[in-house]
Amino acid sequence: EDKVVQSPLSLVVHEGDTVTLNCSYEVTNFRSLLWYKQEKKAPTFLFMLTSSGIEKKSGRLSSILDKKELSSILNITATQTGDSAIYLCAVEALVYSGGGADGLTFGKGTHLIIQP
Amino acid sequence: GAVVSQHPSRVICKSGTSVKIECRSLDFQATTMFWYRQFPKQSLMLMATSNEGSKATYEQGVEKDKFLINHASLTLSTLTVTSAHPEDSSFYICSARRGPRSYEQYFGPGTRLTVT
Repeated sequence: EDKVVQSPLSLVVHEGDTVTLNCSYEVTNFRSLLWYKQEKKAPTFLFMLTSSGIEKKSGRLSSILDKKELSSILNITATQTGDSAIYLCAVEALVYSGGGADGLTFGKGTHLIIQP
Repeated sequence: GAVVSQHPSRVICKSGTSVKIECRSLDFQATTMFWYRQFPKQSLMLMATSNEGSKATYEQGVEKDKFLINHASLTLSTLTVTSAHPEDSSFYICSARRGPRSYEQYFGPGTRLTVT
């Protein structure tokens, strides 16, 4: 059974701090790892990672995948109160024809709170 | 960007009744839609994959007869919770896959179901 574990579950920091969120996975036929940000309702896509060691960057957010360690980190620098959200890590597996659902397997998320 | 809508956004029903939730991709055709369930302070859990023109594929532990999924067209999938019970109360989110890759999923805003 595919498994995605995120840590920490919850994190409270002050504005301006840098945070690192962790995601580890066990999945058969790994295809990609994705990070989402969920505020009030539906998740919004942040990054997709397929290749080990290549950093994806978007503004103050960056993420990198380590396929050897079966893990990924999401970094947020110079945090702002608007970064407060639940950050979800999900893994996509290769599914071969013949059946089987092929949606994403999500971790439990990290609840990040940025205090002013 | 791609837009996915859900209707209703919130529903309260009595125990024993059935509730239908619609998921629509508004500006693209989605051959595959996914239904997720989210409990308070928990992550998204994939329930089933809905494929246009064929039967849905359910995740282990999800009752097919209780959660009926119909993907009648390339822009509409419905989830019917039959004979709802209070334990079915949850936040149901659908997503539609725009391209061949799972990361191109666009999430609907979710439906809050409360069964009294």
